[in-house]
Amino acid sequence: QKEVEQDPGPLSVPEGAIVSLNCTYSNSAFQYFMWYRQYSRKGPELLMYTYSSGNKEDGRFTAQVDKSSKYISLFIRDSQPSDSATYLCAMTAPLNTDKLIFGTGTRLQVFP
Amino acid sequence: KAGVTQTPRYLIKTRGQQVTLSCSPISGHRSVSWYQQTPGQGLQFLFEYFSETQRNKGNFPGRFSGRQFSNSRSEMNVSTLELGDSALYLCASSPDRGSDTQYFGPGTRLTVL
Repeated sequence: QKEVEQDPGPLSVPEGAIVSLNCTYSNSAFQYFMWYRQYSRKGPELLMYTYSSGNKEDGRFTAQVDKSSKYISLFIRDSQPSDSATYLCAMTAPLNTDKLIFGTGTRLQVFP
Repeated sequence: KAGVTQTPRYLIKTRGQQVTLSCSPISGHRSVSWYQQTPGQGLQFLFEYFSETQRNKGNFPGRFSGRQFSNSRSEMNVSTLELGDSALYLCASSPDRGSDTQYFGPGTRLTVL
């Protein structure tokens, strides 16, 4: 079993929809959580970073962490065709923060 | 500030050959990590370098190696290439060890024939 599980999708939604992307993890040592966006033929780009349970908002993006359930989410409001990309969750443990453990990524397609 | 740069962007090799990939971190960043990305396994950590020393290593065979220079630039080497080494190799930099975030380059696409 992988340490981080993520539904690969693809997820196809109409423009303007609210998108929910999720990851579960098994290692309770993970304390830092990130969401990366990766466009085709590009490297991952950091979207959100959080280290505590609860919600963190940045524009149309909200990251949610539930450490008790070992579950993290990324919500995208008012989705746009430019949001079409692969979304990767990543996490690390204290004293090992230089080693990111990634989910396999969810491919999102937002159609006009 | 320029981002992480990787060269070459694309590479085609044959089985048994060796390859060297290069990474220049963001100016001022001292920690460099390498990842392998494949459709089946996703992104997997290879190793991390800081102050010219390998500080952390993932579960890859010894054919995968790397080094870091005094200007923080890094190279990774794969010897005796196998078909399964075909992947996107990503380099990420961060200001220091234990930094909150890593910034990725565009990657080098390696194809082994």
